[in-house]
This record gives sequence, structure tokens and C-alpha cells, in this order.
Amino acid sequence: GAGVSQSPRYKVAKRGQDVALRCDPISGHVSLFWYQQALGQGPEFLTYFQNEAQLDKSGLPSDRFFAERPEGSVSTLKIQRTQQEDSAVYLCASSLMMPGTQYFGPGTRLTVL
Amino acid sequence: GENVEQHPSTLSVQEGDSAVIKCTYSDSASNYFPWYKQELGKGPQLIIDIRSNVGEKKDQRIAVTLNKTAKHFSLHITETQPEDSAVYFCAASIRMTGSARQLTFGSGTQLTVLP
Repeated sequence: GAGVSQSPRYKVAKRGQDVALRCDPISGHVSLFWYQQALGQGPEFLTYFQNEAQLDKSGLPSDRFFAERPEGSVSTLKIQRTQQEDSAVYLCASSLMMPGTQYFGPGTRLTVL
Repeated sequence: GENVEQHPSTLSVQEGDSAVIKCTYSDSASNYFPWYKQELGKGPQLIIDIRSNVGEKKDQRIAVTLNKTAKHFSLHITETQPEDSAVYFCAASIRMTGSARQLTFGSGTQLTVLP
């Protein structure tokens, strides 16, 4: 069946631009997570949704990062006024149950010039 | 918060040999320990997991052991094959608001299986 999909797969932005990254979780999955993976490192937690409710955003590095999941399915991670340190792969994961196995998408590689 | 350390960072083995990757965690409240395999350009894929009420779990050529007292867990891959070459991540998790799990990952091990 269809897994977690993310778009775009690659994004190049100039410093100061705003970007929006999309995540389509597995159909019916209640929980949705965003992670940031720097080059050569493990993923780091950013934020978590249960249906449309954002229950934890403790990992968001600054107020330039914003995530939403308005209808409890597709989620968007928005980064305003991008900086070079925002360059990373942004991974989305979804989970059917709480708690449950997290299934990851392929990620969006963001490069900020 | 939780801190997970993973060793070694790189590991090369001959095809058919075994590979062992070790992780330690800091938070005694962690109760779930998954292992993920990540191939180039792809997202992490779960290969095996273990819960804190179990000391060992095996799935074909892959096994994981957990020592709660020492707060460390290990991944064992036997009869390695070239397709096992990838980056492997361990993770530890605690319950979050709403009963989901927040995963804290190790820094990864690049496994290379030499034919």
C-alpha cells in the first residue's frame, strides 16, 4: 500500500525566503511527527500531531518554524525567513496507533543558499 | 531529556560475518527501543524493535538485546549480505502527551558489507 509521501523531495531557497514542506501520511494514521535530520546525524524531533491537534512543539528550533494539520491528515511544515542553518532533511512520520510504530517518508532535502 | 549514544560510527564486515552495533540511553523511563535502517536518499525504515519488558528479540538474521540495568541495547546482524549495507539508527522513546512516543535517535552507524 501507499506509504508516507513528502513533497517536494528537494528544495533550494535563498536566505530569507519562506518555504512550505508537505507531508501526506498513511491513510487513517492518527499521529504525525516531523523530524529534522542534519547531514551525518540522526533525526531530531520537531513536533507532533494527534489528528489535527498539535500536542507537542517542543523541538521546533525557533518561532520561524510553524506546522499545521488542519484536517487531521495532510500536514505542512513552514519555515519563515530561512537561514543557512535550516539546511537539512525534513522527515515526516505517521503512526496508526498511540503509541505505535512510526513509518517515515523519504524526506525533503532543504538547502538554503 | 533523553540522550542516546551509538557506536561505532562506521563498521565494515566481510559478507557472511556478523555485525554488532551498540547504543546506550540515559533516561530510565524509556521503554521502547526501535532500530531503523536508512538507505541513501530514503527515509528510515523500521527493522526491529524491543520493549522494556523483554530482554531479547529475534527476527531471522536480526536480533536485538536490551539490558535495562545498564541502559544499553544492541543490534546483531548475522550472515551479513551486501544489501545490508546502509546507515543504522537506534532510538529510545518515552510516552508523550496523547500517549504517542517521542523518539530520540542515536547518531547512526554506516555499515558496509564487503563482498
